[in-house]
Amino acid sequence: GQNIDQPTEMTATEGAIVQINCTYQTSGFNGLFWYQQHAGEAPTFLSYNVLDGLEEKGRFSSFLSRSKGYSYLLLKELQMKDSASYLCAAMDSNYQLIWGAGTKLIIKP
Amino acid sequence: DVKVTQSSRYLVKRTGEKVFLECVQDMDHENMFWYRQDPGLGLRLIYFSYDVKMKEKGDIPEGYSVSREKKERFSLILESASTNQTSMYLCASSLSPDRATEAFFGQGTRLTVV
Repeated sequence: GQNIDQPTEMTATEGAIVQINCTYQTSGFNGLFWYQQHAGEAPTFLSYNVLDGLEEKGRFSSFLSRSKGYSYLLLKELQMKDSASYLCAAMDSNYQLIWGAGTKLIIKP
Repeated sequence: DVKVTQSSRYLVKRTGEKVFLECVQDMDHENMFWYRQDPGLGLRLIYFSYDVKMKEKGDIPEGYSVSREKKERFSLILESASTNQTSMYLCASSLSPDRATEAFFGQGTRLTVV
């Protein structure tokens, strides 16, 4: 079957670094997406990885290991506005997205 | 900027009513999706469409139908609303069915069935 796992909730301190992990199992693979969703709002695209390695985009970076079925989202210099849910989604061989349940990130001052 | 617009932000309907949720995108995307989002369950795909008049069942199509008469518009229909359909409904679009491109989401419709 197809499955995505990510932690339900994480807490971090303003100014710190946090890593949100995601493991996936899909029928074929066409890439891994990360989305940010603030409470009551729509998800917005953060990153896409299809090759192994780290992609950096400002304070946010995303890593992929295809052989391990593993990705992480790294958030640096945390700000209060980073409090949100972070959704991991893998794209299968039919270009369908398989979504994780999301990780709620709580930032404390 | 891609814009996906859902017709209502909040809706309250009675059990047994027929409910229409409308979604419009302005970027000529081929793919359109309807999801529902419930706490702890993540996004679950109800239906999707990759072309006008085409529709495909997602993971949880029971109790729902869809319509895509024009490329830019994708409607979700609850034939007879029930309380277990109380949820956040999200519409999304993406460029094409055979490419790995990001999905753009509407602002969501929070539906309460009483």
